[in-house]
Amino acid sequence: DAGITQSPRHKVTETGTPVTLRCHQTENHRYMYWYRQDPGHGLRLIHYSYGVKDTDKGEVSDGYSVSRSKTEDFLLTLESATSSQTSVYFCAISEDISNQPQHFGDGTRLSIL
Amino acid sequence: GESVGLHLPTLSVQEGDNSIINCAYSNSASDYFIWYKQESGKGPQFIIDIRSNMDKRQGQRVTVLLNKTVKHLSLQIAATQPGDSAVYFCAENRGFQKLVFGTGTRLLVSP
Repeated sequence: DAGITQSPRHKVTETGTPVTLRCHQTENHRYMYWYRQDPGHGLRLIHYSYGVKDTDKGEVSDGYSVSRSKTEDFLLTLESATSSQTSVYFCAISEDISNQPQHFGDGTRLSIL
Repeated sequence: GESVGLHLPTLSVQEGDNSIINCAYSNSASDYFIWYKQESGKGPQFIIDIRSNMDKRQGQRVTVLLNKTVKHLSLQIAATQPGDSAVYFCAENRGFQKLVFGTGTRLLVSP
């Protein structure tokens, strides 16, 4: 299994609070991604990173920010959580920009009350 | 519209049978396709991939077929086992970092 650790694995918080999710990899892959998974939807890309301090938006980036200060860590922040951000969040990594599969962590289940 | 979809949301098979999970895609420019397996409470696990210059690729007990004419992808699992029970996703790469996932098919294997 790819060395990807997400933390926390579960979190319950209140609307309006800030939340940070962490993804840590031990594979030294250049590319890292944050997805959310909701019933009735496929995985949807929030943000991705193509190197240290290099990030870009995905299709559902509103309300989220990311940071990557080291190759191995990619943080996802909800500045002011809303109930619509209740979801399961997955981090993924890949060696190359395309033609290489993305490998996923086991997710963070986030509930916003 | 653009979509990656699956024909059957749930597929039930007997242990030992062969399973076929289908996926339709709509973007003819997609050049790379991936199948993932997701067990309850876990992240998607890579199974097999195929590039658009291929029609077929085989792995251990799995085969992916790509029909670009009708924009159809299938995953065949030979001698299905209870441990194969999971949700299976296809994903298509539409270019720079744009991996689009289907909603998944649940495979149920009964002994």
